[in-house]
Amino acid sequence: RKEVEQDPGPFNVPEGATVAFNCTYSNSASQSFFWYRQDCRKEPKLLMSVYSSGNEDGRFTAQLNRASQYISLLIRDSKLSDSATYLCVVNGAGNTPLVFGKGTRLSVIA
Amino acid sequence: DGGITQSPKYLFRKEGQNVTLSCEQNLNHDAMYWYRQDPGQGLRLIYYSQIVNDFQKGDIAEGYSVSREKKESFPLTVTSAQKNPTAFYLCASSRTGVRTEAFFGQGTRLTVV
Repeated sequence: RKEVEQDPGPFNVPEGATVAFNCTYSNSASQSFFWYRQDCRKEPKLLMSVYSSGNEDGRFTAQLNRASQYISLLIRDSKLSDSATYLCVVNGAGNTPLVFGKGTRLSVIA
Repeated sequence: DGGITQSPKYLFRKEGQNVTLSCEQNLNHDAMYWYRQDPGQGLRLIYYSQIVNDFQKGDIAEGYSVSREKKESFPLTVTSAQKNPTAFYLCASSRTGVRTEAFFGQGTRLTVV
């Protein structure tokens, strides 16, 4: 089983739609969870950290299910500018480096 | 402004040559990382360093070398032993400890000609 798995997409959605991405991770000792956004030919940038209780930042909601080793990202009211690749990122216990999923590509269409 | 800087942005290498990619950060981060990204693929870890004068191999270290003589700097050398070096190389840094995100440089796009 790969360390971090994501559906590669692409997800093609109309403006205003709600879209959800899922991610599973294999290391039950993982302690840090993030969603990064990567635009074409650019570096990844942190979108949001994911906390055990779930967290929301404007139109974005992230949730963590430790029992199922599952992370999700929900985007409400999609904008054209949300088009990008979304990377699920996890690290192991302690100071182990971040492990990146291959990303899920989102295209928001007018 | 605090940040992480990679140079050059584009690099062309002839087969058989070694090249060195620069990565500098002024965020006072202890940890630094090198990742490689191929088209349509995720990021794969090459090397990482959590303290000066120490570094660890990642998943794909063969054909690469690094040094960490200063906290701010973590250069990556792509040697002639790396058989398929054409890729997008990303350097990142972070504080050490749990729940610390990584910050990335703008990347170096290396092409073998």
